[in-house]
Amino acid sequence: EVHLVESGGGLVQPGGSLRLSCAASGFTFSNYWMHWVRQAPGKGLLWVSRTNPDGTSTNYADSVKGRFTVSRDNAKNTVYLQMNSLRAEDTAVYYCVRDSSTVSYWGQGTLVTASS
Amino acid sequence: DVVMTQFPLSLPVTLGQPASISCRSSQSLVYSDGNTYLNWFQQRPGQSPRRLIYKVSNRDSGVPDRFSGSGSGTDFTLKISRVEAEDVGVYYCVQGTHWPYTFGQGTKLEIK
Repeated sequence: EVHLVESGGGLVQPGGSLRLSCAASGFTFSNYWMHWVRQAPGKGLLWVSRTNPDGTSTNYADSVKGRFTVSRDNAKNTVYLQMNSLRAEDTAVYYCVRDSSTVSYWGQGTLVTASS
Repeated sequence: DVVMTQFPLSLPVTLGQPASISCRSSQSLVYSDGNTYLNWFQQRPGQSPRRLIYKVSNRDSGVPDRFSGSGSGTDFTLKISRVEAEDVGVYYCVQGTHWPYTFGQGTKLEIK
């Protein structure tokens, strides 16, 4: 059974940094693109970032480009989201997602709050 | 970025009655491989999103057959043939053809 478990969220002051982790199990992690999607409280969804199976290709939403970095460690079956220069508008639940043509798995999410 | 426009944004439905949600994209969602990467997600209160439909009309595993998707190019529809109580939540269309992938605003389905 596929499991995606996010961790690393919490309260951070604007301008601060956090690193989210997503531990994957139940599938061959190194074969799949991995994604991060966020949802601000009471709001809609934003596809934040993605990384290809070997981590050599990454993409970002314009609102986070230059501040967030996605990476992965295939030996540890883990994908990361390094978030720097956090803003109040980055406050959201961040979901780790494995999304492909035929199946889509989402974690339970981790809450990031950027507030003073 | 591709703008996804959903309507209606609020959808009160009587149990057992059909429901329909429309989604329009600002540009064609046909990818160079010939596929159209338009998906539908359901988010029940307090839960993570769950994909219902992928590539316009394909139901994900375990999704009841009362859910169906249709459309082409820039206009798409999600239909529920007979709404049940467990269908309450917010429904999102999302395009996976052009990066960044983009969601519609969401349609809140409630029981009348």
